[in-house]
Amino acid sequence: AQSVTQLDSQVPVFEEAPVELRCNYSSSVSVYLFWYVQYPNQGLQLLLKYLSGSTLVESINGFEAEFNKSQTSFHLRKPSVHISDTAEYFCAVSKNTGGFKTIFGAGTRLFVKA
Amino acid sequence: NAGVTQTPKFQVLKTGQSMTLQCAQDMNHNSMYWYRQDPGMGLRLIYYSASEGTTDKGEVPNGYNVSRLNKREFSLRLESAAPSQTSVYFCASSPYPGTPHNEQFFGPGTRLTVL
Repeated sequence: AQSVTQLDSQVPVFEEAPVELRCNYSSSVSVYLFWYVQYPNQGLQLLLKYLSGSTLVESINGFEAEFNKSQTSFHLRKPSVHISDTAEYFCAVSKNTGGFKTIFGAGTRLFVKA
Repeated sequence: NAGVTQTPKFQVLKTGQSMTLQCAQDMNHNSMYWYRQDPGMGLRLIYYSASEGTTDKGEVPNGYNVSRLNKREFSLRLESAAPSQTSVYFCASSPYPGTPHNEQFFGPGTRLTVL
């Protein structure tokens, strides 16, 4: 079975500072990895995903995540955050051998301060 | 394209009352899901429907039933609501689960309070 651990429940950071949101997973099979973002009072939306190939994946709004197989991690980073990045971020994993379930982490609340 | 829509947005129930949460998607997706979101626990899968005509239990199915009415619609029913079911409920859909295209698309959520 897969599991996902997000190591920080809350991350406060000042505007224009860099940020890293940590995610570790466990799985006995190969997986697809996702980061979803949830803005206040909204549903989740996909931020980026790792399927295969290059271990560094990027989103359109400046976030990036790196798949590290040896450390079973998929940390999310942004070099300079904006107030508008304030949201909750969820790491998720699903098997790449089929199946319908995606396992979500508990979430990390990013709070960007002016 | 409205994407995934959910009704109602808010609901307050008394213990023992029943209700149905409605979900519809207009993206012609095969699979649909119901999750509940509780503080510090992320999203937990209640039920899912891999394709039209099939439903399966997820991680926390007790106290809930579902119906995949057609390819577009997937409803969640609480037969006898309990305070432990106070939560935010999200419906989601995905085009091709089990493939690289299995990202999920979420509705805006229903905030349910059971007194």
